[in-house]
Order: sequence, then C-alpha cells, then structure tokens
Amino acid sequence: GAVVSQHPSWVICKSGTSVKIECRSLDFQATTMFWYRQFPKQSLMLMATSNEGSKATYEQGVEKDKFLINHASLTLSTLTVTSAHPEDSSFYICSARIGTYYNEQFFGPGTRLTVL
Amino acid sequence: AQSVAQPEDQVNVAEGNPLTVKCTYSVSGNPYLFWYVQYPNRGLQFLLKYITGDNLVKGSYGFEAEFNKSQTSFHLKKPSALVSDSALYFCAVAGGSTLGRLYFGRGTQLTVWP
Repeated sequence: GAVVSQHPSWVICKSGTSVKIECRSLDFQATTMFWYRQFPKQSLMLMATSNEGSKATYEQGVEKDKFLINHASLTLSTLTVTSAHPEDSSFYICSARIGTYYNEQFFGPGTRLTVL
Repeated sequence: AQSVAQPEDQVNVAEGNPLTVKCTYSVSGNPYLFWYVQYPNRGLQFLLKYITGDNLVKGSYGFEAEFNKSQTSFHLKKPSALVSDSALYFCAVAGGSTLGRLYFGRGTQLTVWP
C-alpha cells in the first residue's frame, strides 16, 4: 500500500525557535497533502491543505505566518512551526491523497513536538 | 455543514464476540465515508470506504461497514473481535460544499478483552 513518512518522529525545542517537519509520500505521487494537529485523546484538527506548486489553504483560526507550509514537489511537503511556544506542543500528522476527493488519504506516523 | 458523530467514546467487547462502532453523518450532497484506525502514538491507517454501490463495504483486517442512507449511518462491524483490534477508531466524511477535506468524528476507543 501507499506509504507516507514523517521526519522527525519527535522533536524537543526551546521556546522561540523554529522547527521543520517533513512529510514524504514514498511510493506514489500525491496530488494533495494535508496537515493535521491532534491533541491527547481528541480528534484530528485540519490545519491546512496543500497542492504541489500552490499556496496552502489554511483552515480558519490557523495562523499561516506561524505554520508555514511548503509543497515543493508531488512527494514532499514541509510544515515549519516558527517561533514555537509551549502551546504549540502537539502531535502533528500529515496525509497525502492521490487524485480526486473521494480517494482515501494515507497518513504519516506523526511527529510529536514538545516546546520547552 | 458537514459533520460526523461517534456517539460512544469507549466500546468494550470480549474477544471472539462481534463488535460495532457507531457513526452517523450529516452532509449536503452525496457522502463519501471512511473509517480509519489509530494505534497509540501513530498515524491513521485506512480501513475502508463507501463511495457508491453496495451498501455493505468490506475492508482490511476483517472489518466491514454498512451504509444506511435513511439513518445517515455508517457503522463499523467485525464478526469476531481480536485483542489486537484494540485501538482508536475514527469515522470521517468527505462531501458537500468543501469537497476534498475530511471531517472526522471525535473517535471511539475500542478495547477488546481477552
């Protein structure tokens, strides 16, 4: 099946620093990639949707200047958390989809971000 | 607006017994329904989906789900539960005016007791 990887799997950083998370589709080209945030024992919150070569579409309430998304190729999307603060600590999950909207999304294993 | 409801936060079942995880949805237009499973500290794994056609959908690991348009439900089922099925299950819907994004339910924690 389709495999999506994320790197790093976990990261600890100091408040005020920036962190970059990579999401790669390993064996397929993804038309669209998504970034989610998940709090403990809660559902996934969609942060943004991105298509290769286009600017990401952010969900309401998500600061686009804080959460920078770059979708440089059909197999790579990055999320940069700029000037991270403790409230940004969370589990970040990416997903990738081939083709149209009724195709399933394939999810990465997630990245645990802890901001001290 | 599109939404998904999973009315049970927790479902407990004995190994070997049938299991059901409930899901109801609200969407304008045709619904495209999905079930995903999440193990601790991991991403989501796709189980099955309903797009059109037969109301009974079979998926991975012996799971199946039945689409019921009149009741706007898409319950996940398995005839005989395994301890290894214990995980967090999410129902999701894509459709309506914002095609492309998924709307997730809040998740149901399934625990299968040996």
